[in-house]
Amino acid sequence: QVQLQQSGPGLVKPSQTLSLTCTVSGGSITGGGLFWTWIRQLPGKGLEWIGYISYSGSTSYNPSLKSRVTISLYTSKNQFSLNLNSVTAADTAMYYCAREVAGAGYYFDFWGQGALVTVSS
Amino acid sequence: SSELTQDPAVSVALGQTVRITCQGDSLRSHYASWYQQKPRQAPVLVIYGRNTRPSGIPDRISGSSSGNTASLTITGAQAEDEADYYCNSRDSSNNHLVFGGGTKLTVL
Repeated sequence: QVQLQQSGPGLVKPSQTLSLTCTVSGGSITGGGLFWTWIRQLPGKGLEWIGYISYSGSTSYNPSLKSRVTISLYTSKNQFSLNLNSVTAADTAMYYCAREVAGAGYYFDFWGQGALVTVSS
Repeated sequence: SSELTQDPAVSVALGQTVRITCQGDSLRSHYASWYQQKPRQAPVLVIYGRNTRPSGIPDRISGSSSGNTASLTITGAQAEDEADYYCNSRDSSNNHLVFGGGTKLTVL
């Protein structure tokens, strides 16, 4: 059974960089047809796709966040990470990592537990 | 367009059938996937592909699609089905993803 475990600070100061890591167990991060994704949910709001990195290392980002986002893959550790720079209070949200599968369509079959990140001085 | 539109809220009487819809141009070329989210929990995949349920999802939950509209149907709604439901698909470029705004389902 694949599991995604998130880690990272829960409090980030304005203008600094939000950094989260997702550790994958029970499966390889380099498996074909897999896209390692970050999604966030602002308080009381819906889900927002942040971006993904594919099993081969290619990335795609939400155009609204693209200038501030970097998603990286660490194959030796079976991890991937999110960096969001120049954060403001508007970036306060629950952040999820998830595995997207390209199969019968595209879908997120495994999710991390979520990490609440607050941007505040 | 890369947007997916859902009704913000839907209600259903216990044991009755409810349909939750998701509209968007991307659905003409991509399947929608559907997620159930209960308070303070991560979303859970309930439907993907043409109409596939992951292991553990009850068969009263089903999916369908026609044109630019995908639907999630719960036949014989139970109290535990009360949750927020989100649809998702790749956009027309196939490189970006989009979520619907979510539908809050209340079981009366």
